[in-house]
Amino acid sequence: DAGVTQSPTHLIKTRGQHVTLRCSPISGHKSVSWYQQVLGQGPQFIFQYYEKEERGRGNFPDRFSARQFPNYSSELNVNALLLGDSALYLCASSLTGTGVYEQYFGPGTRLTVT
Amino acid sequence: AQTVTQSQPEMSVQEAETVTLSCTYDTSESNYYLFWYKQPPSRQMILVIRQEAYKQQNATENRFSVNFQKAAKSFSLKISDSQLGDTAMYFCAFMKRGTGNQFYFGTGTSLTVIP
Repeated sequence: DAGVTQSPTHLIKTRGQHVTLRCSPISGHKSVSWYQQVLGQGPQFIFQYYEKEERGRGNFPDRFSARQFPNYSSELNVNALLLGDSALYLCASSLTGTGVYEQYFGPGTRLTVT
Repeated sequence: AQTVTQSQPEMSVQEAETVTLSCTYDTSESNYYLFWYKQPPSRQMILVIRQEAYKQQNATENRFSVNFQKAAKSFSLKISDSQLGDTAMYFCAFMKRGTGNQFYFGTGTSLTVIP
């Protein structure tokens, strides 16, 4: 089975632009979470979705939004990009939304804002 | 709010030796999980070991074991017989039980295994 996949692998955007990042969970997994990992830091929780509903949100501004589709894939959207949004964005999937089962991380999308 | 602290930004160990990575956390929750994740230079996060807070027995996974001290809020990782492939960033993480994939991560420890 394929693991968690994320696209694109890398992208470069300009300040003020909008970006959409995509995540496909492991087949059968219904929960997806998003994390921001700034260089040299640990990942910070942004959102969790389970069964297409938001289950949790971290301390991020409203410029960040996400959604989960009927096939359980997910998009993370960031508006009005700032230089500080440059980071590795990680997606994690799990069978359910309760944390009982193991979470699997994707390889990440490296976003550079210039 | 939960906080996770890893006070060792960098560590090194000789191949085949044992190394211990430290982690402390702060929480008012009573039901939670603790994790160690490994992030090799290729950057994909891999679960190393997991501990349920209600279990007193320390988790072990082959060469990896933890020392979980709930009262002290300490959760250290011991790697025995270190191998070159253990070179990576190691992150300690906290998850409140029932919240799914909502991890709180520490800042990481960069471990280098020296041949």
